Amino acid sequence: GAVVSQHPSWVICKSGTSVKIECRSLDFQATTMFWYRQFPKQSLMLMATSNEGSKATYEQGVEKDKFLINHASLTLSTLTVTSAHPEDSSFYICSAREWGKNTEAFFGQGTRLTVV
Amino acid sequence: GDSVTQMEGPVTLSEEAFLTINCTYTATGYPSLFWYVQYPGEGLQLLLKATKADDKGSNKGFEATYRKETTSFHLEKGSVQVSDSAVYFCALSDESGGYQKVTFGTGTKLQVIP
Repeated sequence: GAVVSQHPSWVICKSGTSVKIECRSLDFQATTMFWYRQFPKQSLMLMATSNEGSKATYEQGVEKDKFLINHASLTLSTLTVTSAHPEDSSFYICSAREWGKNTEAFFGQGTRLTVV
Repeated sequence: GDSVTQMEGPVTLSEEAFLTINCTYTATGYPSLFWYVQYPGEGLQLLLKATKADDKGSNKGFEATYRKETTSFHLEKGSVQVSDSAVYFCALSDESGGYQKVTFGTGTKLQVIP
């Protein structure tokens, strides 16, 4: 199946700094990528939908200025957590669907962010 | 809006026991249904899927049948193994509005003991 690579797998940063997470579709083109956040022992919460070449669509309650999403190409989307605080510590997962095909979403391996 | 409801866990079974994890959904259109599995510290992997009513998805001994009349997609396995211990997510994708959003259930943790 299609492969989605997420980097880094884990990151520890100091409070107040920014962290960038990359999501790449390795062997297919993805016009749309999705960013999720998963709290401990909870389900995935969709944060935003990233569309190539346009602004991301954020879910209600997600701060646009804090979680910056860029989808510069058909194979890369980035999520930047700006001015991170300990409450931003979480597991972030991206997913992508192949353009033009009615297939399942393929998920990255996730990024464990810890803000200290 | 779309929603997915799963049975709460955790579910603890002995090895070789029969597994059922219930999943029901609500959707405005004609969704595709999925089961994803998440092993500790990892992302999600697609386990199986069904794209229309009465379809049966199967993989690694797991099965689920798309039941439109009961809006259900229950996951079953006849004989679980310790290696099946993970969190299982039921999900749907409804593209009736051209929006490829995937809606997840809350997940069910399965623990299989030897």
